[in-house]
Amino acid sequence: ILNVEQSPQSLHVQEGDSTNFTCSFPSSNFYALHWYRWETAKSPEALFVMTLNGDEKKKGRISATLNTKEGYSYLYIKGSQPEDSATYLCALRMDSSYKLIFGSGTRLLVRP
Amino acid sequence: ETGVTQSPTHLIKTRGQQVTLRCSSQSGHNTVSWYQQALGQGPQFIFQYYREEENGRGNFPPRFSGLQFPNYSSELNVNALELDDSALYLCASSSSLTEKLFFGSGTQLSVL
Repeated sequence: ILNVEQSPQSLHVQEGDSTNFTCSFPSSNFYALHWYRWETAKSPEALFVMTLNGDEKKKGRISATLNTKEGYSYLYIKGSQPEDSATYLCALRMDSSYKLIFGSGTRLLVRP
Repeated sequence: ETGVTQSPTHLIKTRGQQVTLRCSSQSGHNTVSWYQQALGQGPQFIFQYYREEENGRGNFPPRFSGLQFPNYSSELNVNALELDDSALYLCASSSSLTEKLFFGSGTQLSVL
């Protein structure tokens, strides 16, 4: 059974704090690693798709890194804002199909 | 460009009944995937359809079936509902031009 693990499960930070969370995955048969942001009552929204070891992606205050050899990805949020409050999901794609194996997510709450 | 839409948003059924959930893909997307998200877990892959053919299946019993239509809209059918089928069902569309999945808001199914 393949497991994609995310930590922490939940995180409460103060507005302006920077934060990061981890996605761990089996490093064999790697194809791509996805990050999604899921706000309450909305649809999951793609943040990044990462394919190469050492990849770094950035979108505004959010960035992500990828290490396929050791099987982890970090998501960073600089200067958290209340609107960043959401569940952040990572998902592993192992082959050419579109099947994604999701972690359980990190629920982030940013207090004003 | 229209997004992914799912209907209904909420549904209550009793054990043993059958249910059909519907999804309209994003314009130009020829691949649709269905995921089940139980409480406290990440989305679990049910199956994927590409050009009206099933193109991959997760660990779900045959009473979970699907269809994709020529306009790339899709249905998820579940027969002989069980209490454990209570979950949020997400539809996601994609195309060969994009790695990302575009999700709908989901259908919340409750089986009593």
